Amino acid sequence: TQLLEQSPQFLSIQEGENLTVYCNSSSVFSSLQWYRQEPGEGPVLLVTVVTGGEVKKLKRLTFQFGDARKDSSLHITAAQPGDTGLYLCAGPYNNNDMRFGAGTRLTVKP
Amino acid sequence: EAGVTQFPSHSVIEKGQTVTLRCDPISGHDNLYWYRRVMGKEIKFLLHFVKESKQDESGMPNNRFLAERTGGTYSTLKVQPAELEDSGVYFCASRPFGVNYGYTFGSGTRLTVV
Repeated sequence: TQLLEQSPQFLSIQEGENLTVYCNSSSVFSSLQWYRQEPGEGPVLLVTVVTGGEVKKLKRLTFQFGDARKDSSLHITAAQPGDTGLYLCAGPYNNNDMRFGAGTRLTVKP
Repeated sequence: EAGVTQFPSHSVIEKGQTVTLRCDPISGHDNLYWYRRVMGKEIKFLLHFVKESKQDESGMPNNRFLAERTGGTYSTLKVQPAELEDSGVYFCASRPFGVNYGYTFGSGTRLTVV
């Protein structure tokens, strides 16, 4: 059983569509982070959410931390091909070491 | 600011051979982490250095894996002898001291054991 469950595992949409991906856990986290990884590269940090209920926006990306700090979502508005990648959520576990979800692999078709 | 650098980017070795991966973290980052992603699975924690000390090595698969961080600068991860199941992408990440700083990852070393 993974500490962080991400869904869906795969998502393929057309350019211009909206989408939401989820990160869920039965554990409470002090913070959660979202990363995006492209082929041949390491994950790149997008955002850190810290407060329960917090919403952060990064251009067309909206990140929300659940009120109970057990879950988070990432919503992309009007997706573009450049949004294609693997989206990972991660949270601190034991001395602040991060644990990762398995990721959502997003493909945005032109 | 230079990012996290990993070397080599790819390595193909035969079962039973030895491979050493290197990670140069961002200068001044006390925390250095090794992670591994095997095909289709999530990124899994291997170990964590604070400066030259191993803070947590609970994720190391077995005693064929040895990590060092001499002088608290760069780190090496040696696999000896390599087995087929060691294949995967090995990521190094670093971050400064502090709770909510995100990690800066290197591009990873893709290890293939044949």
